[in-house]
Amino acid sequence: GENVEQHPSTLSVQEGDSAVIKCTYSDSASNYFPWYKQELGKGPQLIIDIRSNVGEKKDQRIAVTLNKTAKHFSLHITETQPEDSAVYFCAAALGFQKLVFGTGTRLLVSP
Amino acid sequence: EPEVTQTPSHQVTQMGQEVILRCVPISNHLYFYWYRQILGQKVEFLVSFYNNEISEKSEIFDDQFSVERPDGSNFTLKIRSTKLEDSAMYFCASRDRGGLVKLFFGSGTQLSVL
Repeated sequence: GENVEQHPSTLSVQEGDSAVIKCTYSDSASNYFPWYKQELGKGPQLIIDIRSNVGEKKDQRIAVTLNKTAKHFSLHITETQPEDSAVYFCAAALGFQKLVFGTGTRLLVSP
Repeated sequence: EPEVTQTPSHQVTQMGQEVILRCVPISNHLYFYWYRQILGQKVEFLVSFYNNEISEKSEIFDDQFSVERPDGSNFTLKIRSTKLEDSAMYFCASRDRGGLVKLFFGSGTQLSVL
């Protein structure tokens, strides 16, 4: 089955810096790659996603890139703010049934 | 904005007891899921449900687990005889009929088995 690896496990940045979180997946047939933000005590919230036929997608300060050949995708957050502090999960979908999640990255943005 | 609702937010039970976790998915969604997250670990797939039957289940989802959609709005996860290792945050999720697995999650039920 699909396996998703995520790095780093923790990331500390200063407010205004950029943050990059990277994921790799194992199954080349995976076709959908969402990113979720999880704040303390809450469920994962979808923040951005990308389909396998697209190389890059941007939504204001966040962007996701996908390299199908290398089987990796990344989340980029620019101009980070303290409210960006949370745990971020990447995920991959193989077919139409389920998401497989990465291990999560705890992002801490210091003022 | 429509959201997935889960109750209760916290559930404490004794080992061996049965628990039922409840979820109200987004109203026009057709696919329903349960995931769980042990403290500090990743979100793990348990089961997916569509058209009143299980579509897929993981190795975690053994005979002690069952799911049901008893009416047009609720989706439940039952654990028949809880074990200590069932302690986790359980998330319900749903999605619409589109081809992408674009899941919307509830806030979760924290299950503590003593």
